[in-house]
Amino acid sequence: QVQLQESGPGLVKPSETLSLTCTVSGGSVSSRGYYWGWIRQSPGKGLEWIGSIYHSGSTDYNPSLKSRVTISVDTSKNQFSLKLNSVTAADTAIYYCVRSLYDSSGFYSSWGQGNLVTVSS
Amino acid sequence: EIVMTQSPATLSVSPGESATLSCRASQSVTSNLAWFQQKPGQAPRLLIYGASTRATGIPARFSGSGSGTEFTLTISSLQSEDFAVYYCQQYNNWPSFTFGPGTKVDVK
Repeated sequence: QVQLQESGPGLVKPSETLSLTCTVSGGSVSSRGYYWGWIRQSPGKGLEWIGSIYHSGSTDYNPSLKSRVTISVDTSKNQFSLKLNSVTAADTAIYYCVRSLYDSSGFYSSWGQGNLVTVSS
Repeated sequence: EIVMTQSPATLSVSPGESATLSCRASQSVTSNLAWFQQKPGQAPRLLIYGASTRATGIPARFSGSGSGTEFTLTISSLQSEDFAVYYCQQYNNWPSFTFGPGTKVDVK
């Protein structure tokens, strides 16, 4: 049973970069057939898919966030990460790291507990 | 972007009764539709994918149907643990997956 755990600062200043890491246990980020991603949830926008990375390293991003987002994998630490730059108050949300079902894309069966990030000076 | 809408916003149901939740897409998503359940303070939990396939460990009282733009999640004989918010999500439009605003199922 794979487990995901987000970590990172809970407070980020406007215009700075939000950085979160997801540590994976019970599975490997190198495993073929899985997509690893990030989804956020805010009262104003609801659930919003941010992007994902495949075991091969290929990435896909939400077009609305693409210019500001980078998702990467660190196989040595069995982690993957999210960077979102030039944040504003609209980026305040709970950020979840997620994993897809095997050989499926677009929906996610495993979720971390979530990391609340507030953007404020 | 495909816009997902859900109705009703809130559904009040007595335990033991059934609940029918609706989800509509602004354009066809074929059968690439998932349903999630979320309880307060928890992450969403995958219930249904492919419009009608139950995820591992999901009780048979949860069933999904529909295709194209109209989808339904039916919960038969609601248990106390089923009172939650339910979201639909389309994953047909790559790479722009979108969620509905949710339907809250509460106790009547």
